[in-house]
Amino acid sequence: DQQVKQNSPSLSVQEGRISILNCDYTNSMFDYFLWYKKYPAEGPTFLISISSIKDKNEDGRFTVFLNKSAKHLSLHIVPSQPGDSAVYFCAANTNAGKSTFGDGTTLTVKP
Amino acid sequence: GAGVSQSPSNKVTEKGKDVELRCDPISGHTALYWYRQRLGQGLEFLIYFQGNSAPDKSGLPSDRFSAERTGESVSTLTIQRTQQEDSAVYLCASSLVTGLNQPQHFGDGTRLSIL
Repeated sequence: DQQVKQNSPSLSVQEGRISILNCDYTNSMFDYFLWYKKYPAEGPTFLISISSIKDKNEDGRFTVFLNKSAKHLSLHIVPSQPGDSAVYFCAANTNAGKSTFGDGTTLTVKP
Repeated sequence: GAGVSQSPSNKVTEKGKDVELRCDPISGHTALYWYRQRLGQGLEFLIYFQGNSAPDKSGLPSDRFSAERTGESVSTLTIQRTQQEDSAVYLCASSLVTGLNQPQHFGDGTRLSIL
């Protein structure tokens, strides 16, 4: 059973608009959540994270929201830029540090 | 560079052969992880090391897969008697320590194709 789910395989938005990527999890032992960005033929790179004791973390154009009761988090990118086009992975950590990844959402930002 | 380095970047081999994939983590990173990504799918955890020990091998798909790490540095993932379903990108990542809030730094992966 998949513990971290990204139900939208792809998302397309216009440059300058907001991109919202969603992630759901089932394991209540997850205490830390991370988003990674991946370009083709490269490894994922860390983007932003949030602890389960918070409900929001912001870093420039990127904001992650956590709704712990719903076991749901989302990544907001505003304004979206063409260079943001990539695959975005949601990951959840237990206190052992092991990460469980979702299947990714491919974001396309159109100029 | 100072990032995670993986070699080879691409490997094509015949079914039944053994392959060895190498990962050089960021210097000083004590935690090292191996993942597999099949085409169109997410990252599948294989194994992680804390130092030279592997506390969690739960993701290794079969006994054909093994991994070791020496000197708290380089790691090798070995696949014996390769099968076509082993075709995937194998990603290695490292982090300073294992821990709840440690982001992982990934290499660019080894693309393995089994003919």
